[in-house]
Amino acid sequence: GQQLNQSPQSMFIQEGEDVSMNCTSSSIFNTWLWYKQDPGEGPVLLIALYKAGELTSNGRLTAQFGITRKDSFLNISASIPSDVGIYFCAGQFNAGNNRKLIWGLGTSLAVNP
Amino acid sequence: DAGITQSPRYKITETGRQVTLMCHQTWSHSYMFWYRQDLGHGLRLIYYSAAADITDKGEVPDGYVVSRSKTENFPLTLESATRSQTSVYFCASSEDYSPYGYTFGSGTRLTVV
Repeated sequence: GQQLNQSPQSMFIQEGEDVSMNCTSSSIFNTWLWYKQDPGEGPVLLIALYKAGELTSNGRLTAQFGITRKDSFLNISASIPSDVGIYFCAGQFNAGNNRKLIWGLGTSLAVNP
Repeated sequence: DAGITQSPRYKITETGRQVTLMCHQTWSHSYMFWYRQDLGHGLRLIYYSAAADITDKGEVPDGYVVSRSKTENFPLTLESATRSQTSVYFCASSEDYSPYGYTFGSGTRLTVV
């Protein structure tokens, strides 16, 4: 099935560092979503983006919807230990009633205190 | 409790046995989804449902059966479990035309021995 190219696959950083990850697609999307999965839990929505060029923040997290509609990035500033987890991007093309998401494979983040 | 709940949280079963994973949501969301998560494969869609009595195959439906007689419930049945179905299974739900993506359950870790 179709998947997004998400990079990097994993990151190991020091507490306080900034983090950047991105997703690219061969298809255009109307919506980009970023989720975080804590160990042993289901993914939880962090940020949703709906317009090309849109830049949205949620606390220390900032995400952008690429101008071509084929990419998105997520930045985390001043990382802390609770940022540990897997971050997933997902794209959606809302054609009619299509609710299916296309997923990246995830970026696994480890933070060294 | 409001939300989306999955049961059981952990399950060990033998090869060839039938096992059913339960998913219940309290929001009356139209859409429900079943994913499996395996290392290196991210989240893969098994089946989804747009409404009660409407179901459709996802990316990896073989060996699974779903039903949706009531809006709030979406059970996933493995008719004859195989070791390759050892995985973590996530159920998710979504409103019609919701801009907020999916809400996930906490997952069921299934081991087939």
